[in-house]
Amino acid sequence: GESVGLHLPTLSVQEGDNSIINCAYSNSASDYFIWYKQESGKGPQFIIDIRSNMDKRQGQRVTVLLNKTVKHLSLQIAATQPGDSAVYFCAEIPGGSYIPTFGRGTSLIVHP
Amino acid sequence: EAQVTQNPRYLITVTGKKLTVTCSQNMNHEYMSWYRQDPGLGLRQIYYSMNVEVTDKGDVPEGYKVSRKEKRNFPLILESPSPNQTSLYFCASSRTSNEQFFGPGTRLTVL
Repeated sequence: GESVGLHLPTLSVQEGDNSIINCAYSNSASDYFIWYKQESGKGPQFIIDIRSNMDKRQGQRVTVLLNKTVKHLSLQIAATQPGDSAVYFCAEIPGGSYIPTFGRGTSLIVHP
Repeated sequence: EAQVTQNPRYLITVTGKKLTVTCSQNMNHEYMSWYRQDPGLGLRQIYYSMNVEVTDKGDVPEGYKVSRKEKRNFPLILESPSPNQTSLYFCASSRTSNEQFFGPGTRLTVL
């Protein structure tokens, strides 16, 4: 598959564990944040998003937490499965902008 | 099936030989964009388009052109490719600039 990053941070977990992937963003004017999943050889896939007027949002098995004070975003995956193995990265979009800034990503490895 | 398609998926070319990477979406999305992805770097936006005949520069537009003559198509043009444009390219579309649907990627190598 395609390599999207040679030296990405890596998180290794056992199947069934909960995973937490972190992202620090840089622009205090960002008001929209997105998490993407990218499997080897594929394009990024939208997972969940959150606006700056929220601090938590839940989806199916995923939760995104936003801490604007320290400009930190996290993605929590419950009961991680081998199919969750992928690179995960966050994106921030400043208010009024159409240009997202993407993080480098974290490689999640789920061991059966 | 709702999808974004790109062609070609793989391309090896030489410096200075003009090329076009096509992108097409069947979801009637207004917003389309092009990104490049390089090892150790995040996705970087090259150009985006809010609608037909409306295009604007992203973070790294130098050396690239785009056009949006039809809603479904958003080709990426490299008039004179150089080796530093060797990269993995993704096209994306969405109703707004937010939840974007990405294509499968085009691996370009410029010798």
